[in-house]
Amino acid sequence: EPEVTQTPSHQVTQMGQEVILRCVPISNHLYFYWYRQILGQKVEFLVSFYNNEISEKSEIFDDQFSVERPDGSNFTLKIRSTKLEDSAMYFCASRDLGGDTEAFFGQGTRLTVV
Amino acid sequence: AQSVTQLDSQVPVFEEAPVELRCNYSSSVSVYLFWYVQYPNQGLQLLLKYLSGSTLVESINGFEAEFNKSQTSFHLRKPSVHISDTAEYFCAVRYKAAGNKLTFGGGTRVLVKP
Repeated sequence: EPEVTQTPSHQVTQMGQEVILRCVPISNHLYFYWYRQILGQKVEFLVSFYNNEISEKSEIFDDQFSVERPDGSNFTLKIRSTKLEDSAMYFCASRDLGGDTEAFFGQGTRLTVV
Repeated sequence: AQSVTQLDSQVPVFEEAPVELRCNYSSSVSVYLFWYVQYPNQGLQLLLKYLSGSTLVESINGFEAEFNKSQTSFHLRKPSVHISDTAEYFCAVRYKAAGNKLTFGGGTRVLVKP
């Protein structure tokens, strides 16, 4: 069964460093997303990406964040200068075209900023 | 702003007993509704979804949820739980007129006791 894969599963980084979280969405999907879940809090939407551009972003997704689809298979989330409060589980998701389709999620990357 | 409320953060339940997880969302406009499950140390998996048609939807492992438009609810039920149902359950809503992101509830942690 096709699945969304994320690497690494766990990333520890020092405050102020740049991190790149990687995702391989399901191959024929056209919508891509990043969500995050701070420990003990809700899963929050960060950004959606369609047709090689950001289609929607939340207020969390500020200038420190960027997304990219560098080739036909990968979808990345970059945090330029990490803060302690960026520590969270980051989920990538993808969805096929059509309003009535569901999003498939990856296993998540746990980011710890120290 | 759209919001999703899961009234119970934790639900302890004995094996073979029934369980109901409550979910309410903030608006009665057209929505797609989802329940995702997160088993320990795993990602988010779709449990079931309401897109249109019959208001009662079922999963392959015995869960069911009913869409109630007048009460803006999508409660999840299972008549007899197993130990393997121990997980965190997330209700999520996609508002048809508000982009294609998911808005999540806070999650309900179900602990099934023998």
